[in-house]
This record gives sequence, C-alpha cells and structure tokens, in this order.
Amino acid sequence: QSVLTQPPSVSAAPGQKVTISCSGSSSNIGNNYISWYQQLPGTAPKLLIYDNNKRPSGISDRFSGSKSGTSATLGITGLQTGDEADYYCGTWDSSLSAVVFGVGTKLTVL
Amino acid sequence: EVQLVQSGAEVKKPGESLKISCKGSGYSFTSYWIGWVRQMPGKGLEWMGIIYPGDSDTRYSPSFQGQVTISADKSITTAYLQWSSLKASDTAMYYCARPSGIAAPGWYFDLWGRGTLVTVSS
Repeated sequence: QSVLTQPPSVSAAPGQKVTISCSGSSSNIGNNYISWYQQLPGTAPKLLIYDNNKRPSGISDRFSGSKSGTSATLGITGLQTGDEADYYCGTWDSSLSAVVFGVGTKLTVL
Repeated sequence: EVQLVQSGAEVKKPGESLKISCKGSGYSFTSYWIGWVRQMPGKGLEWMGIIYPGDSDTRYSPSFQGQVTISADKSITTAYLQWSSLKASDTAMYYCARPSGIAAPGWYFDLWGRGTLVTVSS
C-alpha cells in the first residue's frame, strides 16, 4: 500500500486533455520534488516530469506537471492513442528515508 | 550511448539463491547512484534500495531491508541485486534505474534498464 494516492484509472477521447492526481503528505510531496513516469505496456518506465514541472529533453510539451501543498498533478493535452499507459508519481519520503511511488494510474484513450 | 543493461530472465525454485546484474555504460559509473525497483505481476513500482558505486554506500527501503542485498563492482561497472533464499512472492520484474538530482530528496530516475524477469516456482 503506497503512501502516495493516485486514481486507478482515467480516460478521455483523442485530442482531449486529462489530469492525473497524486496525493501525499508533508513527509513526501509536501517537502520534496515530485517526478512522473510513463510505463507503456511491456516496457520499462520512462521519466516524463522531474522537479515538479520540468520536462527532460525529448519529452513533448503536451505533458506538464504541477504541485500544490501535498498534492501534485500530471496534465496531458492533445491525447493520442499512443499515450495509453500506466502513469506513476514518485518522490522522496523523509520519514521513511525512501523513494516512494504512487500506485499508478491507467490511462485509456477512448 | 548511456545505458543500463540487465541480465536475462531467471527461473528458480523456492529456497534457491540468485544474483541479477545491471551493467552501466556510457557515463561515469562511480559518480551516480544505481537503484533497484520491483514490479510484481500486474502491480505498481516499488523502490527496493540504492547503491553508490563510488564508495559502496547502500540504502534500503524499510520494506526490503534484510530481504535482499545490493552490491556493485566498479571495476566492471556493474550493480547487483541478490537473494539468499527465494520465495514464490519474489516473482516479479526487477528494474535497475539511475537517478539524477543532487541528493536523495531530489532524486528522479532518468535512466532505466529493460528489466529482469524473475520467476520463482516449484
């Protein structure tokens, strides 16, 4: 059972926008940077967002990140069928002295 | 090319030992931590622990402390994850991943191996 809460699934139509939430506490999201990962079926996770809202080189600007208090949000605009994947938030938990990941959210592009 | 190359899939019996590997190349192996992440079938990501090959400083998630051993051989730029006595519940995909970021609170994993599938079955 993860200390970071994510909705199990979200869905939207191609071309639309979707947001995925990640809720934690002051020991993790509230006082540390958050990152987001995309895991396409059968592949390793891939970094989408780091330091709350920064995109690595090569990541589309359709992906964005934000953080407020003890929650964070991943936004995806202009949805494509290729965006269908599991999305995970991750951060450091100062109480556990460990990296923690959310339980993951499955995105379906209808 | 900067990459992490993991060893191949393993099929083991309960009680057997196992050591899987992750070879880093294309970057200064001793200047970055390398972590291990478990993904059980159909489940999410779980951080197991991490090692700094430069001085072998190793940290474990409380959930995995005492259950596995993480090590590294900097002479061959390879990190390891090992079990002394496998259980069926160790069946999972195991990823190695390299974090960037100045220190632990700022870690994010920007380089991942392709994963090693470990199956433990009698």
